[in-house]
Amino acid sequence: DTAVSQTPKYLVTQMGNDKSIKCEQNLGHDTMYWYKQDSKKFLKIMFSYNNKELIINETVPNRFSPKSPDKAHLNLHINSLELGDSAVYFCASSQRNPVGGYTFGSGTRLTVV
Amino acid sequence: AQSVTQPDIHITVSEGASLELRCNYSYGATPYLFWYVQSPGQGLQLLLKYFSGDTLVQGIKGFEAEFKRSQSSFNLRKPSVHWSDAAEYFCAVADHGSGNTGKLIFGQGTTLQVKP
Repeated sequence: DTAVSQTPKYLVTQMGNDKSIKCEQNLGHDTMYWYKQDSKKFLKIMFSYNNKELIINETVPNRFSPKSPDKAHLNLHINSLELGDSAVYFCASSQRNPVGGYTFGSGTRLTVV
Repeated sequence: AQSVTQPDIHITVSEGASLELRCNYSYGATPYLFWYVQSPGQGLQLLLKYFSGDTLVQGIKGFEAEFKRSQSSFNLRKPSVHWSDAAEYFCAVADHGSGNTGKLIFGQGTTLQVKP
């Protein structure tokens, strides 16, 4: 199936831990994104990569570090997790010119306890 | 700056009634506009999109939206709501064009509740 897949779907971890979320797309898109959905369901862009090049880095704590080994993968590593990092994280992909639309993964629900 | 406003945080309609969800955008050029739906605990599914051409666009699940440049609006409509339409609805505009980031900017979302 052509899709954006992200793992894991659920992640429960203690404060201070380091965790990673992986994302892969097989749509042939050249741009990938990470969005954070907070408890009020607001969706905010965090990062974007185009052909492995970082093009968006919003005001995100530097504990968050994206990595794109190739244009089909975009991972998110979070160091020293805090309670406020609890949210749903969505990966998405598109072409740089988004006329074809954006495809979202099913989300990773991160709970920090 | 680009932005999207969904004035209605929460809407309740009866099953079988018509629906209109409002969306206003702020964007300097011709906007690329989207409506997404998110069912509880699920990801985002694209309902429809507008780039150019006919200002009335048809989407999946019987939804349609009308682009009105003069009003900076892109309202979503459905003639007869089904209980399965209860979900969160997001309007979004793409930051497209040369030199722009390509990111999708979302509105705050509208929660749709359907009464039996």
